Amino acid sequence: VMTQTPLSLSVTPGQPASISCKSSQILLHSDGKTYLYWYLQKAGQPPQPLIYEATTRFSGVPERFSGSGSGTDFTLRISRVEAEDVGVYYCMQAINLYTFGQGTRLDLK
Amino acid sequence: QVQLMESGGGLVKPGGSLRLSCAASGFTLGDYYMSWIRQAPGKGLEWISYSSYIDNTTYYADSVKGRFTISRDDAENSLYLQMNSLRVEDTAVYYCARRVGLDVWGQGTTVIVSS
Repeated sequence: VMTQTPLSLSVTPGQPASISCKSSQILLHSDGKTYLYWYLQKAGQPPQPLIYEATTRFSGVPERFSGSGSGTDFTLRISRVEAEDVGVYYCMQAINLYTFGQGTRLDLK
Repeated sequence: QVQLMESGGGLVKPGGSLRLSCAASGFTLGDYYMSWIRQAPGKGLEWISYSSYIDNTTYYADSVKGRFTISRDDAENSLYLQMNSLRVEDTAVYYCARRVGLDVWGQGTTVIVSS
């Protein structure tokens, strides 16, 4: 089970934002990789990848997005929220098949 | 350009069947793990199936096991999802995605199961 908090977030543009994701199992594999991923789904679009293996940005993802955490507790941070960051954020584990978190809706104040 | 494009969705009655396709372009599908993920209206993402390129192993979520079958045709550079015994609760947008990390997604195809 992947549990995200909060489920919704309202942020003033230019301010930081943080989303937590807790896993019911340890996501560190014996191969040394941590199988935790983050995605953003904007309205009417498929999800777009943000972070892989807990801390690495996918190619083309702005530097204001960062991932941290280990074991079972992970965090996605946006250093300065922009209008284009509005949407639903999902964490996902891929160590034991795949499980997505419930999603966190981010909008602008 | 690396792309995935799903097709085959539509309206089907409960108990019916559909076959979804996912055409890859810009890369060789046979070199990658591939998955199907779905999203019911107004709901979150649900992974439903996965195909390994290494040994052709397949996995399914409990919600579709025994009813859905994932397959691939490397010559066609395509992934498929055969969906049988469809239920109302299978109504969703179905996405295919590449790699363990789901780094490339298609735009999705809509399946509506309704009488």
